[in-house]
Amino acid sequence: EDKVVQSPLSLVVHEGDTVTLNCSYEVTNFRSLLWYKQEKKAPTFLFMLTSSGIEKKSGRLSSILDKKELFSILNITATQTGDSAIYLCAVEAQYGNKLVFGAGTILRVKS
Amino acid sequence: DAGVTQSPTHLIKTRGQQVTLRCSPKSGHDTVSWYQQALGQGPQFIFQYYEEEERQRGNFPDRFSGHQFPNYSSELNVNALLLGDSALYLCASSHTLGIAKNIQYFGAGTRLSVL
Repeated sequence: EDKVVQSPLSLVVHEGDTVTLNCSYEVTNFRSLLWYKQEKKAPTFLFMLTSSGIEKKSGRLSSILDKKELFSILNITATQTGDSAIYLCAVEAQYGNKLVFGAGTILRVKS
Repeated sequence: DAGVTQSPTHLIKTRGQQVTLRCSPKSGHDTVSWYQQALGQGPQFIFQYYEEEERQRGNFPDRFSGHQFPNYSSELNVNALLLGDSALYLCASSHTLGIAKNIQYFGAGTRLSVL
């Protein structure tokens, strides 16, 4: 059965800290890995990763994929209170781009 | 450019009733997927529609059914509601062509409470 595991489940940091969120997966016919940020309801797209070792970057956020070890990390530098959210990792598996999600990491950034 | 829109935003039903949730995809998108997100969990895939056909289905009973219209909008129907169906129902759209193909963009969801 396809599985995505995220760690930690929750995290509390202070503004300015750097955080690393982890995502490991076991899926058949891996196609891509996606990161989403969910603040209230709608998960908003952050990154899609398909190739190992190539870092994707957007401002203070960056992510990388290791297809050999079956994991990805999401880094957030110089955290701000607006980064407080649930971060979801999902893997696109099999035909038809069904997404398999992890349970998410709840990040709280204190001022 | 409107994103993915869902209606209604909130819904309260009683056990045994039926419910219909609606989704309009992002402009230019032709594929709609539905997910159920229980409290404290990640979204779980229900099914996906493309060209008005159910293309793929997750582990949900037949009480969950759907439809896609020629304009790519979609409906999710749930019959014989159970207390355990209480959740946030998310719709996501994507397109099958182009650089950003297969990236799923989500709506704000419908919060369904079953009493």
